[in-house]
Amino acid sequence: QKEVEQDPGPLSVPEGAIVSLNCTYSNSAFQYFMWYRQYSRKGPELLMYTYSSGNKEDGRFTAQVDKSSKYISLFIRDSQPSDSATYLCAMIRNDYKLSFGAGTTVTVRA
Amino acid sequence: GAVVSQHPSRVICKSGTSVKIECRSLDFQATTMFWYRQFPKQSLMLMATSNEGSKATYEQGVEKDKFLINHASLTLSTLTVTSAHPEDSSFYICSASGGQDSYTFGSGTRLTVV
Repeated sequence: QKEVEQDPGPLSVPEGAIVSLNCTYSNSAFQYFMWYRQYSRKGPELLMYTYSSGNKEDGRFTAQVDKSSKYISLFIRDSQPSDSATYLCAMIRNDYKLSFGAGTTVTVRA
Repeated sequence: GAVVSQHPSRVICKSGTSVKIECRSLDFQATTMFWYRQFPKQSLMLMATSNEGSKATYEQGVEKDKFLINHASLTLSTLTVTSAHPEDSSFYICSASGGQDSYTFGSGTRLTVV
């Protein structure tokens, strides 16, 4: 079983829709959770960083963490074609290395 | 915010030659740098971790003699792919950490070995 599970999609939504992404993890020691956005042939860019259960908002992005269920989510409101990218969840391990999900490819159709 | 510069962004080399990729933290000191490899439509695969002034730690299955990593200063790490072969063609990405749970990625290097 992988430490972090993420459905690779692909996910296609119309412009303006809410994009819902999620990851599950098995290691209860994970305390820090991140979402990265990666455009094709570019490095990942940090979108959201959180360490506590609950919701964190930043503009159109909301990160949600449920430590009891070992489940994290990212919601993108009012999605735009420019949001089309691969979204990766990541968690910091005890050895300070990152454990990544497989990445979900999202296409927002104009 | 923290910026990591990675060069070159794209390189094509002949089989048997060596290629060096640079990763620089521009506005912070990176105590730890990570090197990843990414295959098309796949997630990032950690190759090695390097701390300034010490030898890199390689992940299982990664050949340390083929992928030489040098982290000579707190702002620069290099990855040298030695005697490159077509199967080494991939997207290589570095990440720098200055502590406080921050991980900033470079823009990646697409290596093509012909």
